[in-house]
Amino acid sequence: AQKVTQAQTEISVVEKEDVTLDCVYETRDTTYYLFWYKQPPSGELVFLIRRNSFDEQNEISGRYSWNFQKSTSSFNFTITASQVVDSAVYFCALSGGPLRSNDYKLSFGAGTTVTVRA
Amino acid sequence: DAGVIQSPRHEVTEMGQEVTLRCKPISGHNSLFWYRQTMMRGLELLIYFNNNVPIDDSGMPEDRFSAKMPNASFSTLKIQPSEPRDSAVYFCASSRRGTGPSGPQHFGDGTRLSIL
Repeated sequence: AQKVTQAQTEISVVEKEDVTLDCVYETRDTTYYLFWYKQPPSGELVFLIRRNSFDEQNEISGRYSWNFQKSTSSFNFTITASQVVDSAVYFCALSGGPLRSNDYKLSFGAGTTVTVRA
Repeated sequence: DAGVIQSPRHEVTEMGQEVTLRCKPISGHNSLFWYRQTMMRGLELLIYFNNNVPIDDSGMPEDRFSAKMPNASFSTLKIQPSEPRDSAVYFCASSRRGTGPSGPQHFGDGTRLSIL
């Protein structure tokens, strides 16, 4: 069975502060994908990143960065110099890896609500 | 490029009525997914189509729910009869799946359904 835990329910920061969202996962698969999605107050789900379990390199995209550590089964997400527009619910998710029969099945965490105050 | 398009954005109807939710996947995507989001259960996969064929419908709650994909550019999720506990946000997502690894799922804006 696959499980994703986002222990932080809510995080509130002041603009320009950095915020790190924790994600811990459990899986018996030897290959898997990890994801982050953003759900702003308008309600849509926006894909942010997909990571293959073979690739443990950290990734940076603008103010967003992701830290994947297989040893601790974690895939944490940091927003640097947060802005009000970053206010949203952020979901971490897990699926089977490339070419696995369950690579379509996303298991979502409960989400972390981030509020950035001006 | 157009994303996944869902309609309606909001639906309010009375218990017992038939509800039909619609989805147009991203052009070129051959996998389509229906999800339901509630406060209690979070995001749940209801059904997964690949090349218009239902592959996994294990998440469909009960016989009142049905989904179809008559062609590559259109899918419906129908609830008949609807009940108050069906109130939720329903998302459609699509991805590309070929002989290689499948692409990530891209979601529509969702349909907020309220059953009175």
